[in-house]
Parts: sequence; C-alpha cells; structure tokens
Amino acid sequence: VQLVESGGGLVQPGRSLRLSCAASGFTFDDYAMHWVRQVPGKGLQWVSSISWNSEVIEYADSVKGRFTISRDNAKKSMYLQMNSLRSEDTALYYCTRDRGTFASGNCDYWGQGTLVSVSS
Amino acid sequence: DIQMTQSPPSLSASVGDRITITCRASQSISGYLNWYRQKPGQAPKLLIYAASSLQNGVPSRFMGRGSGTDFTLIISSLQPEDFATYFCQQSYSTPYTFGQGTKVEIK
Repeated sequence: VQLVESGGGLVQPGRSLRLSCAASGFTFDDYAMHWVRQVPGKGLQWVSSISWNSEVIEYADSVKGRFTISRDNAKKSMYLQMNSLRSEDTALYYCTRDRGTFASGNCDYWGQGTLVSVSS
Repeated sequence: DIQMTQSPPSLSASVGDRITITCRASQSISGYLNWYRQKPGQAPKLLIYAASSLQNGVPSRFMGRGSGTDFTLIISSLQPEDFATYFCQQSYSTPYTFGQGTKVEIK
C-alpha cells in the first residue's frame, strides 16, 4: 500500500490550492479515504472523509463550505480542493485509507503528507 | 465534538519497561477508540482499533483496553522503536477527534 500526496505549497490567504493523493498497492475503490492534517509539532485534526463510491462525504466544521473532497476511482486518486485559505489551515496534510468501504474513522495507512503554508 | 484527553503528556522510560497511557473521552464512545504511534518525521501508524484489536503486523507487546469513556494503551516491554508519540482517536462520530498525544522518551 502506498499513498503519495502532492500539491502543497506556500499560498496567500484567501487563495486556493488543490491537493492530490495517488494510491497504489490495493484496490482503491474498496476503501473509504480521509484527509487528516497536523500542524508540525502539534496534534492531529481530521479534515474530511469520502466513501468508496463518493456518496457519503463529511467535513470538519472548520473547513465546511471552503474545502471539497473528491475521488476518481479510475485514476486511483483522491483530491482536496481548498478555497478561501486561512492562516490556520497551515499544516501537513495526510491522505489516509480507512479500513472500510464507508468511513469508520480507522486510518490504517497514511501517506507522508504534503505541507500547506498560508501566509502573506 | 467529543473531546479526547490523554495522560500523561509525556513520560520517561527504559527499554524493557511496561508503560500505560490513558485516554478519556468527554462522552461514551463505546469501543470506538483507536491508538496510533508517530515516530519523529514520520506519519502516524495504526496500532490498535476498536479499543482492543491489534492491527495486522503490530507486535503483541501492544495491548488496548477499555470501553465507554476510559481507555488504556499498554506496551508490555518497550523497544527502541517505541520511543515516539502516541495518539488516541475516537471513531464513534464525526468529527473524528484525537487526543493531544503522549510523548514517550528514553530515561
């Protein structure tokens, strides 16, 4: 199992960024997926989850209305469109695999993360 | 949101020691509790799910107990690779929330 995030970088407040997660080594459309973020040296915060068929999607209140999670099972990829970015969105963003087809919250595999820095 | 509180925030121990980390939920979460280990510069790794189930490939020195609001992670004999930070996480309801972490350091 391998999860590789990309798309992070330095962006000004109010701007947008799109993260990608490329999956390999497993049947991607058998699993729900999550984005989890971590401010370096700090704790973990769940951001969003998406079921195997994209029918069940949930967000943390802090990103609802600004972030959009999606997936393309044919491309074995998951995405996070982040709009109206704020300084408090600065973090390392992890792509994680859930143990089930619908999100159970159990993240059994994690990527290495992509760093998002929001600053003027 | 369900608040998760871990204790202690940090502890010092030696190789071979038995250690216990505690996690308390602000409301009952039944057995929906997971434990992760995060080594410096690495992503978290799932150790225990559903309070007491050992994730595939995780050594049997890791043990999880508890239900309702009070949970523990026990490492029966610390190994060098276990000096890391441990997080609990509730998967009872969204938002899935994590404890603040317990850093295990070498004495």
